[in-house]
Amino acid sequence: GAVVSQHPSRVICKSGTSVKIECRSLDFQATTMFWYRQFPKKSLMLMATSNEGSKATYEQGVEKDKFLINHASLTLSTLTVTSAHPEDSSFYICSARGMTGDTEAFFGQGTRLTVV
Amino acid sequence: GQNIDQPTEMTATEGAIVQINCTYQTSGFNGLFWYQQHAGEAPTFLSYNVLDGLEEKGRFSSFLSRSKGYSYLLLKELQMKDSASYLCAFMDSNYQLIWGAGTKLIIKP
Repeated sequence: GAVVSQHPSRVICKSGTSVKIECRSLDFQATTMFWYRQFPKKSLMLMATSNEGSKATYEQGVEKDKFLINHASLTLSTLTVTSAHPEDSSFYICSARGMTGDTEAFFGQGTRLTVV
Repeated sequence: GQNIDQPTEMTATEGAIVQINCTYQTSGFNGLFWYQQHAGEAPTFLSYNVLDGLEEKGRFSSFLSRSKGYSYLLLKELQMKDSASYLCAFMDSNYQLIWGAGTKLIIKP
């Protein structure tokens, strides 16, 4: 299957700072990337969908100015958590899909963010 | 509206068989997925069904009935490493994945 690389896998940051998480599709062109957040013992919560070259579509309740998503190329999307707070501590996962209509989305390894 | 439901937790014995059910409601449907997720890790793909019937892949099989809005994941010859959460998700008409809350499977010796 296709490979999606997410970096970093773990990050600890201080309250008030910003953290950038990268999601790269290594062997295919990802026209669509999805960003999820997962709380302990909970399922994946879709935060936003990003299509290459256009603005991300955020789910209801997700703050656009706090979770900045950029999908500048067909192989890279980034999620920046701005002015992080302890309540932003979570497991963030990206997934990438090729052409519209492709069925399988491939997941990155996930990023464990801890804000102290 | 759309919704998807699966049991929160199940317990089974090593070497046995377990069936995890998933029911869903949606107006647009482009297939149903099963993923396995170990604690602290990203989900890994197990199966995809878009047509009715049973798909077998080694120890794991997945079944779909579109008319009933029903799927199950069947795990045979359970191993301790199968202890994980199992997520079902359907793909809607916009090709978005709608996720269930996951079923935590506990395997006992």
